[in-house]
Amino acid sequence: NAGVTQTPKFQVLKTGQSMTLQCAQDMNHEYMSWYRQDPGMGLRLIHYSVGAGITDQGEVPNGYNVSRSTTEDFPLRLLSAAPSQTSVYFCASRSGQKKIYGYTFGSGTRLTVV
Amino acid sequence: AQSVTQPDIHITVSEGASLELRCNYSYGATPYLFWYVQSPGQGLQLLLKYFSGDTLVQGIKGFEAEFKRSQSSFNLRKPSVHWSDAAEYFCAVGRGSSNTGKLIFGQGTTLQVKP
Repeated sequence: NAGVTQTPKFQVLKTGQSMTLQCAQDMNHEYMSWYRQDPGMGLRLIHYSVGAGITDQGEVPNGYNVSRSTTEDFPLRLLSAAPSQTSVYFCASRSGQKKIYGYTFGSGTRLTVV
Repeated sequence: AQSVTQPDIHITVSEGASLELRCNYSYGATPYLFWYVQSPGQGLQLLLKYFSGDTLVQGIKGFEAEFKRSQSSFNLRKPSVHWSDAAEYFCAVGRGSSNTGKLIFGQGTTLQVKP
């Protein structure tokens, strides 16, 4: 089925470790985003991309890096994990056409930093 | 700055009763508005969206929402709630004239359905 695939679904890291959260979509969507979800705070935008080779920061970018070498993939890198990065991470994509404006979300990665 | 407020953190309704979830936004131009639903342990599913035109928007699962510019609101309604509607609901606003496609989310409303 077409959609947004996130891996892994669960991850436990030790403080200071690095890792990459993977996100892939097969809908040829131009726009992709990473959000983190914390209780009582909704979803907050970390980084986003409007196409291959183009990325920009969202509301809470510190401690995270992204790159977009292909249309399909948008990995999120944690450089040195901190307990404050314990969260559920969602990747989303959407078409660049104006009227097709709904985002498709992945099922999320639950990250715990100890 | 754009913002979205969902005043009700938690709502409990009886099965079969009507439902209204509130959403207020702050935005300087014409917003694009969305409602998403999240079941436990799942991703977000789009219920409905408003871009322009008719201010009453129909969505999936029997939900509808009404855009009221004068009140800066986009409340979600359902005439008769089913037990399967228990979930967390998020309102979001997008920048209509921007090419960034960024969404700003509210804090979410958790819906509990009593049998």
